[in-house]
Amino acid sequence: SAVISQKPSRDICQRGTSLTIQCQVDSQVTMMFWYRQQPGQSLTLIATANQGSEATYESGFVIDKFPISRPNLTFSTLTVSNMSPEDSSIYLCSVEGLDSPTDTQYFGPGTRLTVL
Amino acid sequence: GESVGLHLPTLSVQEGDNSIINCAYSNSASDYFIWYKQESGKGPQFIIDIRSNMDKRQGQRVTVLLNKTVKHLSLQIAATQPGDSAVYFCAEIHGSGNTGKLIFGQGTTLQVKP
Repeated sequence: SAVISQKPSRDICQRGTSLTIQCQVDSQVTMMFWYRQQPGQSLTLIATANQGSEATYESGFVIDKFPISRPNLTFSTLTVSNMSPEDSSIYLCSVEGLDSPTDTQYFGPGTRLTVL
Repeated sequence: GESVGLHLPTLSVQEGDNSIINCAYSNSASDYFIWYKQESGKGPQFIIDIRSNMDKRQGQRVTVLLNKTVKHLSLQIAATQPGDSAVYFCAEIHGSGNTGKLIFGQGTTLQVKP
């Protein structure tokens, strides 16, 4: 099965700074997504990372705060900009298209972010 | 509004017993459902899925049941083991034209007592 990795696995950051999280898959996938999981909560979709075009953001999430890149079919980044303590969460990438023709999503291990 | 929810936040079972985790969904247009298991410090792990044209699907020690009449989904774990302790999420996808838009329930914590 495919391996989905994220870097960093965790970080502690200061208010007002930015952090870029990387997601790498060891095989090409059609779709990549970014989710946020606040402490003790469920997962919420931030955006769909589109290869070669701007990401598609869900309601409540904007590009200025969460810029996303997807330069190819195996890699994506999510940046959390101008961080505040409210951004402390686990950020997860997921991929779709590992199993054709299903649309099952598989998740990376997550990046645990703490903002002081 | 649309929601996918779980009836109980925590379920405690004895090792060896069977576990049943429930999920209610509100969107009758949903046609694909997935159960995930999330252990502490890890990302959600795919367990089993089911399409709306089925009412039951079995995997290794797990069974998912779908009741479209009452919009209810359940995950049954046979002979629960300590390694099954985790948070379990149900998730749904709306329609074929909305690929990838997973909506997650709130999660049920399964505690397995030795």
